Amino acid sequence: GAVVSQHPSRVICKSGTSVKIECRSLDFQATTMFWYRQFPKKSLMLMATSNEGSKATYEQGVEKDKFLINHASLTLSTLTVTSAHPEDSSFYICSARDPGGGLGYTFGSGTRLTVV
Amino acid sequence: AQSVTQLGSHVSVSEGALVLLRCNYSSSVPPYLFWYVQYPNQGLQLLLKYTTGATLVKGINGFEAEFKKSETSFHLTKPSAHMSDAAEYFCAVTGGGADGLTFGKGTHLIIQP
Repeated sequence: GAVVSQHPSRVICKSGTSVKIECRSLDFQATTMFWYRQFPKKSLMLMATSNEGSKATYEQGVEKDKFLINHASLTLSTLTVTSAHPEDSSFYICSARDPGGGLGYTFGSGTRLTVV
Repeated sequence: AQSVTQLGSHVSVSEGALVLLRCNYSSSVPPYLFWYVQYPNQGLQLLLKYTTGATLVKGINGFEAEFKKSETSFHLTKPSAHMSDAAEYFCAVTGGGADGLTFGKGTHLIIQP
């Protein structure tokens, strides 16, 4: 089946620095990828939809300048958390639409971001 | 717009007992419905999905769910719980197209020995 690889799985960074998270579709092309954020013991909230070759579409309330999304190729989307602060600490998960036209979504294994 | 309500943030059942996790949805377009399972610090694994056709959907690990349009429900069941079923379960909905998923708040399933 479709596989989405997300890296890194865990990252600790200092407040004020930026962190990049990568999401790769393996063996298939993903024109659309999605980025979610999950707070502890909470549900997943869609942050943005990443479209290859165009600007991402952000959900209401998500700061575009803080969460930079780049989808420069058909197999790679990146999320950069800029000028990170402790409140940005969270679990970030990416997802891609399954190939083949069926309605399915495959998720990455997630990235635990801790800002100290 | 879509929304999902999962009744019961925690559900506890005995090993071997029936598992029933409730999910109700709201959607302005015909919904596509999903159940995912998440183990600690991991991503989501698809259990099953409803897109069109048969309303009773069978998934992995013995789980199944029934789409009931009249009740706007998509409850997840498993006849006999196993210890390995202990996890967080999420119901999700989408209208399809280029939309992402809207998730419920999740239900933590606890299996008592």
